Amino acid sequence: TQLLEQSPQFLSIQEGENLTVYCNSSSVFSSLQWYRQEPGEGPVLLVTVVTGGEVKKLKRLTFQFGDARKDSSLHITAAQPGDTGLYLCAGWAGGGADGLTFGKGTHLIIQP
Amino acid sequence: EAQVTQNPRYLITVTGKKLTVTCSQNMNHEYMSWYRQDPGLGLRQIYYSMNVEVTDKGDVPEGYKVSRKEKRNFPLILESPSPNQTSLYFCASSLSIGDRGPNYGYTFGSGTRLTVV
Repeated sequence: TQLLEQSPQFLSIQEGENLTVYCNSSSVFSSLQWYRQEPGEGPVLLVTVVTGGEVKKLKRLTFQFGDARKDSSLHITAAQPGDTGLYLCAGWAGGGADGLTFGKGTHLIIQP
Repeated sequence: EAQVTQNPRYLITVTGKKLTVTCSQNMNHEYMSWYRQDPGLGLRQIYYSMNVEVTDKGDVPEGYKVSRKEKRNFPLILESPSPNQTSLYFCASSLSIGDRGPNYGYTFGSGTRLTVV
C-alpha cells in the first residue's frame, strides 16, 4: 500500500499570512487530488493534478505536482478564516489500483 | 441536488447487534466506496464497487460486508459490531474510474458517526 505523508500535521497562523502544505511519498502516483474537509462534513474536492510539474491555481490556492509525480504542495496566499479546515491529499497509484490513498491531513486554523 | 446520502448520521449500538449504514447517490455514478476515518490514522478504504454486482475489499475489510444490487445504493453491513469499529464512516462515489483514477474526483457523503459500546 502506497503511503502519503502530509506536513505539517497542524498549522495555526494569522489572517493575511501565506502558508504551504506538503504531501510526500516514495511511490509514483498517476494522479493526485486535494480535498478540504470541514467539521461534521465529508471531504470536498479542490483540484486534481495528473502531469508531473503541473501547477493549478484556484483563486488564492496554488497546487503543484512534483516532476516525478511523488509529491505535491498546496500554497495559500493571504489566508483567510474561511480557509480553516482539514486539508487532505489523495493519490491514485494506477496499474490496477482500487481506490484513492489518503494522507492523514493537515489541520489548518486561520485566526482573525 | 447531486449528492451522496448516508443514514443514519449518528448511531450508538451495542456489541454484536447487527446494523446497516445506508448510502445512496443520485448522480448515476458507477464507482462507490466506503472509508472509515480515525484520529491519527486518516481515511482508510473498507470496500469498493466498480459497478452493480461488482464489489471488492479495500485495506480494512474485516468485520464488514457490502452489497451493490442497484447502481445508486451501496449499504455497509456490520454483522457483529465490536468496539474497535467505533469510527466516522464515509461513503463516496465517482462517475467512473479512468487510467488516472476517479474522473472528476470523489463525492463524499456527510458521514456516519458510529459508537459501539
